[in-house]
Amino acid sequence: AQTVTQSQPEMSVQEAETVTLSCTYDTSESDYYLFWYKQPPSRQMILVIRQEAYKQQNATENRFSVNFQKAAKSFSLKISDSQLGDAAMYFCAYRSINRGSQGNLIFGKGTKLSVKP
Amino acid sequence: DTEVTQTPKHLVMGMTNKKSLKCEQHMGHRAMYWYKQKAKKPPELMFVYSYEKLSINESVPSRFSPECPNSSLLNLHLHALQPEDSALYLCASSRGTGLYEQYFGPGTRLTVT
Repeated sequence: AQTVTQSQPEMSVQEAETVTLSCTYDTSESDYYLFWYKQPPSRQMILVIRQEAYKQQNATENRFSVNFQKAAKSFSLKISDSQLGDAAMYFCAYRSINRGSQGNLIFGKGTKLSVKP
Repeated sequence: DTEVTQTPKHLVMGMTNKKSLKCEQHMGHRAMYWYKQKAKKPPELMFVYSYEKLSINESVPSRFSPECPNSSLLNLHLHALQPEDSALYLCASSRGTGLYEQYFGPGTRLTVT
């Protein structure tokens, strides 16, 4: 079974600075998807970025980028030029390519990010 | 339109009540999901519907009864709940159950008294 580990329960960053959130996972599969979701206090889960395992190039979305290390099973999220609106709980998630998984997302426990003005 | 809507936003119910949660999407997605999320925890999958058929039931108690009347609508019927069922209930949808991202609704905050 796959597992996702986020080792940082809480992180803090100064506005305009850069922060990196860690995520590691365990799987025996060779192809899968990885996601970072953001959940602000307003509750709605918002997709931040996704990475296909077969792609070597790291995904980027504006100020958000990932460092995907497939061999190390590591998938960290870097937020550049942090803004107050980035404050939220961030979840790393794994999605199996296995049809039997029926699209089940396996979440890490989350990292609560605070942004200081 | 990448919106998933959920109603109501908040629900307080007694242990003997019957209530329903509603989820709707108009993105043409064929997979819909119910998750339960306790405070400061990640979402836990409850049910998956694919093409309006229940494809996963993660050993959820029978006091939770899902229903998918059509491809755009997903309901969760609640009956005889326990206080420990109090949580945020999230609905999500995706194009299919393959490697597609899931879009989440804002959730229903349920309190069982």
